[in-house]
Amino acid sequence: GAGVSQSPSNKVTEKGKDVELRCDPISGHTALYWYRQRLGQGLEFLIYFQGNSAPDKSGLPSDRFSAERTGESVSTLTIQRTQQEDSAVYLCASSLGTTRFNEQFFGPGTRLTVL
Amino acid sequence: GQNIDQPTEMTATEGAIVQINCTYQTSGFNGLFWYQQHAGEAPTFLSYNVLDGLEEKGRFSSFLSRSKGYSYLLLKELQMKDSASYLCAVENDYKLSFGAGTTVTVRA
Repeated sequence: GAGVSQSPSNKVTEKGKDVELRCDPISGHTALYWYRQRLGQGLEFLIYFQGNSAPDKSGLPSDRFSAERTGESVSTLTIQRTQQEDSAVYLCASSLGTTRFNEQFFGPGTRLTVL
Repeated sequence: GQNIDQPTEMTATEGAIVQINCTYQTSGFNGLFWYQQHAGEAPTFLSYNVLDGLEEKGRFSSFLSRSKGYSYLLLKELQMKDSASYLCAVENDYKLSFGAGTTVTVRA
């Protein structure tokens, strides 16, 4: 595809359930990022992939959160035992992975609501 | 640590000019991005500054002073479609650290 895609666009789940969010980056982009955006707030960095490795997981808020990337392409973010405070929009971005002018291209996000 | 500050909200009239300030204190700096985000949509790239000075791109301009840890985004000839959130982001190596965003409302 031409841009970053994410699925599902919306997810409503019950507290305690596990959820899996998917990101398809732009073809050829080696770097992939996950962010969380709570209502009315800025983007909170979660994790960064270079290829299939995650050299920076410093933003993952707890061990309930994990992510993987395969084939230097698709990434999934998994949240186990969801809590109401996990409700947010989860944005994925990809880039060429340069250290300067590393423009990140964002997907439309997954809106997660935990009841 | 990273500290990036922007005003929360600004309101302006159609056809006017608005300046959104961003101040930052970060552990590293490669460059500074401005992104635009319409409600319910993904952020999209507006501008990038790596050297001090003004970068002009049509109705939008962005300024950077590295010594002062300061940037601004200038929106000229405001249109209703410019109503959006504007995000300042500092680039440090591979990472972007975002401010909370400034919501601009354009009124007729």
